[in-house]
Amino acid sequence: GQQVMQIPQYQHVQEGEDFTTYCNSSTTLSNIQWYKQRPGGHPVFLIQLVKSGEVKKQKRLTFQFGEAKKNSSLHITATQTTDVGTYFCGCAGNNRKLIWGLGTSLAVNP
Amino acid sequence: NAGVTQTPKFQVLKTGQSMTLQCAQDMNHNSMYWYRQDPGMGLRLIYYSASEGTTDKGEVPNGYNVSRLNKREFSLRLESAAPSQTSVYFCASSEEFAGQDTQYFGPGTRLTVL
Repeated sequence: GQQVMQIPQYQHVQEGEDFTTYCNSSTTLSNIQWYKQRPGGHPVFLIQLVKSGEVKKQKRLTFQFGEAKKNSSLHITATQTTDVGTYFCGCAGNNRKLIWGLGTSLAVNP
Repeated sequence: NAGVTQTPKFQVLKTGQSMTLQCAQDMNHNSMYWYRQDPGMGLRLIYYSASEGTTDKGEVPNGYNVSRLNKREFSLRLESAAPSQTSVYFCASSEEFAGQDTQYFGPGTRLTVL
């Protein structure tokens, strides 16, 4: 069945440094979604990518969908303490069920 | 709009006890989901319901039952709780619109089974 790998598992950065998390699927995706979960909170939707090679930006966050629609990345420029949390990718195949990555936990030193 | 609500927020059970986790959404979504989240394991789907009156097993359904009571409510029942069911449980709902299929999560129920 479909497998999703998300790396790294943890990342610790100094405030102002950049951060990137990667999500790789074993199968071609119909779409990929990114969510953020603050410590003690629940996952909150950030963005959905649908098209091959798609790039979307939200302020300091840049999301990319690979040309083969099997991988994606989330890049944060100049991290802030408000970026702390766990970032999950949810990968959708032909059905609507998401297969989730294990998440990347980001810690930011002020 | 409250979004997705879950009750209770916290629960402690003894092994063998039963309980029902409640979930309701006020967004008129057709699809609803139950996940469990354990450290280092990400989100694992227990059951989902694509529409009122239908339910399907997810990745980890053993030890759980669900009821889609109506379009708004989707409950999760533990008939005989086990320590392995200690986890954080999230309910979510979604509706595909204009190609977007966002999942909205409730605040979670933190369950400890002793």
